[in-house]
Amino acid sequence: AQKITQTQPGMFVQEKEAVTLDCTYDTSDQSYGLFWYKQPSSGEMIFLIYQGSYDEQNATEGRYSLNFQKARKSANLVISASQLGDSAMYFCAMRETDSNYQLIWGAGTKLIIKP
Amino acid sequence: DVKVTQSSRYLVKRTGEKVFLECVQDMDHENMFWYRQDPGLGLRLIYFSYDVKMKEKGDIPEGYSVSREKKERFSLILESASTNQTSMYLCASRRARGYTFGSGTRLTVV
Repeated sequence: AQKITQTQPGMFVQEKEAVTLDCTYDTSDQSYGLFWYKQPSSGEMIFLIYQGSYDEQNATEGRYSLNFQKARKSANLVISASQLGDSAMYFCAMRETDSNYQLIWGAGTKLIIKP
Repeated sequence: DVKVTQSSRYLVKRTGEKVFLECVQDMDHENMFWYRQDPGLGLRLIYFSYDVKMKEKGDIPEGYSVSREKKERFSLILESASTNQTSMYLCASRRARGYTFGSGTRLTVV
């Protein structure tokens, strides 16, 4: 069974609009971490934001915020005021407790920002 | 900031060649990872290492081996390259709340 599901293979969004990228996860661990990464066409993976399962507040990093709904096992990424430079692949990933720090990855969402 | 450097951005190799992909990090991290990325499949873990000379298989280790003789360097080895190993290879080093990736090596096996 998929542990990380990103249901949107691709999205088109108008510049300056907010965008939400979906991520649902499946784990029986109580302690886990959720990550979002951005991969532009250049290929490098850029860390965006992290949410720990025990963090009480939703994580925020500049224009990025994570809408963490633990009961629903969802960790959606919200990008406010999108910019052309936000066009990229976005990956959601999870680290479980006894995983030797391995990450489990979703298949990614290709985001294209239209001018 | 942690820097993870992969020695080559693009490589073209012939079937049957032995291929070395090198990865170096500069922050004394213990955990390092090699991933393979293919369209629609996300990132799949090939091998990881949690210390010098220590290695663990990931999800798709077949056809690959690794070497970690020094803490800062983690090498991925394709003993006999095949066309189905054409892919993007990403190296990562673990930091406190995330992972820093290298810029990737796009390997084509012809």
